[in-house]
Amino acid sequence: NAGVTQTPKFRILKIGQSMTLQCTQDMNHNYMYWYRQDPGMGLKLIYYSVGAGITDKGEVPNGYNVSRSTTEDFPLRLELAAPSQTSVYFCASSYETLYEQYFGPGTRLTVT
Amino acid sequence: GQNIDQPTEMTATEGAIVQINCTYQTSGFNGLFWYQQHAGEAPTFLSYNVLDGLEEKGRFSSFLSRSKGYSYLLLKELQMKDSASYLCAVLDSNYQLIWGAGTKLIIKP
Repeated sequence: NAGVTQTPKFRILKIGQSMTLQCTQDMNHNYMYWYRQDPGMGLKLIYYSVGAGITDKGEVPNGYNVSRSTTEDFPLRLELAAPSQTSVYFCASSYETLYEQYFGPGTRLTVT
Repeated sequence: GQNIDQPTEMTATEGAIVQINCTYQTSGFNGLFWYQQHAGEAPTFLSYNVLDGLEEKGRFSSFLSRSKGYSYLLLKELQMKDSASYLCAVLDSNYQLIWGAGTKLIIKP
């Protein structure tokens, strides 16, 4: 039981490049989330999903896209990377909104 | 707007007790979570309160007062491994988690 896994762990992008952050969970959770965490700031919700085929915007969705074709996978796409997207990205999943969220180890992204 | 306030940093001594406060103003309330986050790692769940009162779980306890928009996390018998950031998060009326910036707890021997 691996829980929530994320790849890559680290990445450096040049301005204008694109990439996909991968997230997979093996707990059969319906709910999945993408957060970014900047130094000294709280976690900010980018996108979330309540089940396969259903996604919705969070607090800071601009510059990102997601898809949820299966229960297990919830990739986050960055198009035209900008320095403002330098952050640590966490994927999380939960059984339901009132239950605890389980987090992946994070992806540390630098855009230069 | 929605707001969650926590102290930025606290220092305590090994073996002592520390209380980390959290105040919130959110659109609706469906529960309050506490998470622990060690430096460079992911947050991990500590507690969930939805009713007023104290929930005890080993060395950690969490208290909630909905009328005051206030919660605290109480850590007893502090150990060096408790050095971490402690994140308070409120589930709002849309069932989205609103996160505080976290309190960095430094434990000194």
